[in-house]
Amino acid sequence: NAGVTQTPKFRVLKTGQSMTLLCAQDMNHEYMYWYRQDPGMGLRLIHYSVGEGTTAKGEVPDGYNVSRLKKQNFLLGLESAAPSQTSVYFCASRDSILQPQHFGDGTRLSIL
Amino acid sequence: GQQVMQIPQYQHVQEGEDFTTYCNSSTTLSNIQWYKQRPGGHPVFLIQLVKSGEVKKQKRLTFQFGEAKKNSSLHITATQTTDVGTYFCAVYTGNQFYFGTGTSLTVIP
Repeated sequence: NAGVTQTPKFRVLKTGQSMTLLCAQDMNHEYMYWYRQDPGMGLRLIHYSVGEGTTAKGEVPDGYNVSRLKKQNFLLGLESAAPSQTSVYFCASRDSILQPQHFGDGTRLSIL
Repeated sequence: GQQVMQIPQYQHVQEGEDFTTYCNSSTTLSNIQWYKQRPGGHPVFLIQLVKSGEVKKQKRLTFQFGEAKKNSSLHITATQTTDVGTYFCAVYTGNQFYFGTGTSLTVIP
């Protein structure tokens, strides 16, 4: 029962570097989400997908790109990392409207 | 975007005391979900409320959805050390989820 798997779990980047965070779910869920969590600010939605091949912007999309080429995978890209993107990133998936979200364990990203 | 205010931000209680966290919105909500996040962990779904005035219970946890569907509360009776964590409400609107800022609960043994 893997559920939602995020890789990597930790990463340190230098300003200007790029990287991709991978989210994989094995529950055949249609909807997938990327959030960032910062102290005192709860979770904020970056981008989301309502199905394979679709993506849409969330509340804080600037500086990030996403792709959903396969239903089970949702990738989050940082093209040119900035210190303001230091955060914990969570991926989530759910089956349909009003169903609960299932979260991965998170990726702790530090940008120096 | 949707604004969801959650109070208090922090709560310290003695073990055995009760605890309540509140979520408030300026607009009518179609639904609200509650999640718990243990320190260092990820959010875990607790419950969903959709009906006006709805009350649901899970052992020592009681969840309420306001009559006007603009507020919700989570009440824990007789807290235990296992209740430690941050409790979030989340509302779904326009294909997106908006989370409250969370209430961090500390239980003092």
